[in-house]
Amino acid sequence: NAGVMQNPRHLVRRRGQEARLRCSPMKGHSHVYWYRQLPEEGLKFMVYLQKENIIDESGMPKERFSAEFPKEGPSILRIQQVVRGDSAAYFCASSPPGGDEQYFGPGTRLTVT
Amino acid sequence: SQKIEQNSEALNIQEGKTATLTCNYTNYSPAYLQWYRQDPGRGPVFLLLIRENEKEKRKERLKVTFDTTLKQSLFHITASQPADSATYLCALNTGGFKTIFGAGTRLFVKA
Repeated sequence: NAGVMQNPRHLVRRRGQEARLRCSPMKGHSHVYWYRQLPEEGLKFMVYLQKENIIDESGMPKERFSAEFPKEGPSILRIQQVVRGDSAAYFCASSPPGGDEQYFGPGTRLTVT
Repeated sequence: SQKIEQNSEALNIQEGKTATLTCNYTNYSPAYLQWYRQDPGRGPVFLLLIRENEKEKRKERLKVTFDTTLKQSLFHITASQPADSATYLCALNTGGFKTIFGAGTRLFVKA
């Protein structure tokens, strides 16, 4: 059973460009979480999604950030008009229906130049 | 304000000893608490989950306690090994969908 997959693993964007981060949950998992981690800091919750629904986006910045988890295909975290402060590691996690533990992907390291 | 605190200082111990990591929280009433391990450049790995009505949970060399009165969880690794060296994260869920993570404690186990 493949684990949570994220791609790309590393992404470099210039200021003002768009960043798209993808996450494929573990097979059978229907819940996806996105987190951001800055160096030497803890994981910060961004958004929780189920298939075709955003359940809790209280951790998402109100502008430039959006997330989706379509019926088919991976979950996407989209950052428009990136700024240097968006540079961070972005982790996706999935959990099974009824389960509380989260299984994390390897992360996408976004660098904004 | 709501806070989770883990020892920001690294914990250095000798191989074979028991490592004890602390997680304190304020202004939460978590339905459950989790511990994760994170190695540099990698995603966290789930270790243990303990619910509010459980006092203690064990898995192999790992033990977690949960004191809702003290608002504290202790995470123990017995017979520690150099391979246990990593950052250990405490995470709380208050019954909703949001999980709050502590900043983590680095553990170094010397051979």
